[in-house]
Amino acid sequence: DQQVKQNSPSLSVQEGRISILNCDYTNSMFDYFLWYKKYPAEGPTFLISISSIKDKNEDGRFTVFLNKSAKHLSLHIVPSQPGDSAVYFCAASSLSSNTGKLIFGQGTTLQVKP
Amino acid sequence: GAVVSQHPSWVICKSGTSVKIECRSLDFQATTMFWYRQFPKQSLMLMATSNEGSKATYEQGVEKDKFLINHASLTLSTLTVTSAHPEDSSFYICSAGRPSHGELFFGEGSRLTVL
Repeated sequence: DQQVKQNSPSLSVQEGRISILNCDYTNSMFDYFLWYKKYPAEGPTFLISISSIKDKNEDGRFTVFLNKSAKHLSLHIVPSQPGDSAVYFCAASSLSSNTGKLIFGQGTTLQVKP
Repeated sequence: GAVVSQHPSWVICKSGTSVKIECRSLDFQATTMFWYRQFPKQSLMLMATSNEGSKATYEQGVEKDKFLINHASLTLSTLTVTSAHPEDSSFYICSAGRPSHGELFFGEGSRLTVL
C-alpha cells in the first residue's frame, strides 16, 4: 500500500516558467511533509518542509502548499532553472510519533529546458 | 557541510561476500538512524530503523539476517549486507536527525554492485 504517491513520473518545463510537482498521501497520521531533491548516485538533499498546522511555506523560489482535507501537497518552483533538473521526492512523517521515520513517494523527474 | 556521512560511496563485490556500509552523524548525536534502499527509478524504501544500544527495527519484507544493522555508538550505525547476491545491488542511503526539531539529514549514499 503506497501511503505517499507521486502520480507524475516526469515533468518537463521551460526555463523561467513555474514547475508544479504534486504529491498525495493516504495516512491521516502524517503531520509533517518534506520535499527532497536527488541527483543520480547521490543522497537526497532537503529542500523544504511543511507542518500540518500550516497550509503554505515559502523559501526563495520554492513554495510548498498543503491541502489537508484533500491529503495533497504540491511543490512550486518559480522561476525554474536548468539546475533544478533532478528527481524530486515528497516524504511524509508523523512527528508526533517522534521517530523521524519518513515514507517517500515514487519521485518525479523534473527536466527544465534552457 | 555534510552532517551525515556514509562510507564507502561505491563498492563492488563478488557474490557471496559480505559488505559493510558505515553511516556517521558528524555534528550531533543520533540515537536513531534510518537505512533506506533505492532501486533504479524507484522510490527510497525504508529498510530499518537503527536504535543506539538496542536491536534494529526492520520493515516488513526486509530480512534481518541478511541486512545486519549495528548502532554501537551515538554517531555510528553500520549496515552489513551478508552473503551478497546480484539482486542486492542497489543504492543504500542512511539518515539521522532530530525528529523533535523536524530535522532529518541524509548521507551521500552508497552504491553496491554485486557481481
